Amino acid sequence: EADIYQTPRYLVIGTGKKITLECSQTMGHDKMYWYQQDPGMELHLIHYSYGVNSTEKGDLSSESTVSRIRTEHFPLTLESARPSHTSQYLCASSEGARNEKLFFGSGTQLSVL
Amino acid sequence: QQPVQSPQAVILREGEDAVINCSSSKALYSVHWYRQKHGEAPVFLMILLKGGEQKGHEKISASFNEKKQQSSLYLTASQLSYSGTYFCGTEYHAGGTSYGKLTFGQGTILTVHP
Repeated sequence: EADIYQTPRYLVIGTGKKITLECSQTMGHDKMYWYQQDPGMELHLIHYSYGVNSTEKGDLSSESTVSRIRTEHFPLTLESARPSHTSQYLCASSEGARNEKLFFGSGTQLSVL
Repeated sequence: QQPVQSPQAVILREGEDAVINCSSSKALYSVHWYRQKHGEAPVFLMILLKGGEQKGHEKISASFNEKKQQSSLYLTASQLSYSGTYFCGTEYHAGGTSYGKLTFGQGTILTVHP
């Protein structure tokens, strides 16, 4: 049902590397979000966007950055990965109207060695 | 401030019922419920928008008590497919640019055995 895609599905990388997690949706949704989730834990909002050229930081402080140059694309970048960044990153989107459900991607499981 | 879910885990046999609660210390505007199976993305179940509202989805329903700042998810005659972690997501602000930002509870792990 949901047309929101995240790549890669799994990423194992060494400390200090720059990484970009990709998120794309084909539903034309204005709002997009990045959540971080540790195993067995709740989802924490780290970034969100209400449209092109609009990005805001979420409730959980993150060293990652995001961009929204196109409606369908919302990539997340870590300039220098650290072991503390090891986590699952979930991208989501929703329509522009109020009270719309979130569609989640399958997530990227990031492991920084 | 994140909502608090209870219980943390539930183990059922097929056909049994369960209730999952989601409580907030702040006034709520809306409550979302999602289910996440192991290794998969969370999947939307329902949204409750105003006090006293109840909604249903197959044998899963929910209520929202605005006064108590609490929502409950009811799973009736549970099936094996109901197993997973259930999250409530709360929205606190009634307007402005903060709409759509959800704060999630810590999750309730539901296991249904044959």
